[in-house]
Amino acid sequence: DVKVTQSSRYLVKRTGEKVFLECVQDMDHENMFWYRQDPGLGLRLIYFSYDVKMKEKGDIPEGYSVSREKKERFSLILESASTNQTSMYLCASSPRGTSYGYTFGSGTRLTVV
Amino acid sequence: GENVEQHPSTLSVQEGDSAVIKCTYSDSASNYFPWYKQELGKRPQLIIDIRSNVGEKKDQRIAVTLNKTAKHFSLHITETQPEDSAVYFCAASFFTQGAQKLVFGQGTRLTINP
Repeated sequence: DVKVTQSSRYLVKRTGEKVFLECVQDMDHENMFWYRQDPGLGLRLIYFSYDVKMKEKGDIPEGYSVSREKKERFSLILESASTNQTSMYLCASSPRGTSYGYTFGSGTRLTVV
Repeated sequence: GENVEQHPSTLSVQEGDSAVIKCTYSDSASNYFPWYKQELGKRPQLIIDIRSNVGEKKDQRIAVTLNKTAKHFSLHITETQPEDSAVYFCAASFFTQGAQKLVFGQGTRLTINP
């Protein structure tokens, strides 16, 4: 019963490419989040969205943008991929106004070469 | 700023012993503190959480304690088993721009030695 789905488990992209990471949730959650996970640094928030077409920067937004055209889908965009963006990317969602019930996707491991 | 510090970064205990992981947070307005377990190659899964109006919560071998005055909270695992080996993350909630977001600690890699 997967509730947060990330479109790719593994991706390999070249430096300078535009990269799209997709996340879809079926729980009718208002909030969606993109985190980046690196060893020793934990999970760092890149961007989040609390409603359709709304977006807010997290702690490390540089080099990334996002799109939320539909409630269930939240896309992370790397405008021009660089090797320092090689990482595990995790999507999560939660109901409106709360962090309770935060559910993660399986993650996308992105390698930029 | 919004910050969560987690210690230790690695922890190795003998099977059957207890393990304790500690976190501190920066914002006294934080009111929700979950703990996630991430097994190798899998997504983080919520294992226990505590709200700011409660000082302690237990679920079988797992317990979490919260000290609001000191702004720190801890995860306690008793009678550890090999399947407890994983990376554990603490988090604290921060309210911003109409949404509550979670800020995570750096993670603790727990290894249970048989």
